[in-house]
Amino acid sequence: KQEVTQIPAALSVPEGENLVLNCSFTDSAIYNLQWFRQDPGKGLTSLLLIQSSQREQTSGRLNASLDKSSGRSTLYIAASQPGDSATYLCAVRPLNTDKLIFGTGTRLQVFP
Amino acid sequence: DVKVTQSSRYLVKRTGEKVFLECVQDMDHENMFWYRQDPGLGLRLIYFSYDVKMKEKGDIPEGYSVSREKKERFSLILESASTNQTSMYLCASSPGRVGQPQHFGDGTRLSIL
Repeated sequence: KQEVTQIPAALSVPEGENLVLNCSFTDSAIYNLQWFRQDPGKGLTSLLLIQSSQREQTSGRLNASLDKSSGRSTLYIAASQPGDSATYLCAVRPLNTDKLIFGTGTRLQVFP
Repeated sequence: DVKVTQSSRYLVKRTGEKVFLECVQDMDHENMFWYRQDPGLGLRLIYFSYDVKMKEKGDIPEGYSVSREKKERFSLILESASTNQTSMYLCASSPGRVGQPQHFGDGTRLSIL
């Protein structure tokens, strides 16, 4: 059974730092991996989607990498800002399904 | 931009009531999903649908049913609400083409008293 783990569960950093959020999954038979952002009391906003054949995706200050064989993905946030404070979730899509399996998220706080 | 709209942001109901949560998407997506989100448990899939009148059970379907009479609308039904169904409910949609991202609504925070 696919399990997705995110470490750390919470992170507090000063503004300007570069930081890395980690996501690991137990079964490498995935179609893709998606990173989301969730603000308190809100829904999920899709940040990046990496297909299994890709190694990384970039959007602005965000860069996500995927190492499918080792079951790992990282989300790199450059020059963090207070507006980046949110919970970040990763989710994998197993093969032959449209279902997503979510991690429990990393709660990020960036203070001025 | 894709718009997924959930009819209520907050809802309070009583034990035993029949509760309807509505979700509408405006991008002609084939796939629609209902999740619940609980602290420490993350998002868990309740039901999903690949097409009109089609539905598939997710990981935690007990106590729920769904209806998809039109492509743009996917309803989650709590047949007889119980306090353990107090949660945040999130609806999502995605195109039928393989590998496309899921897009989420803002969620409905449901409290069962």
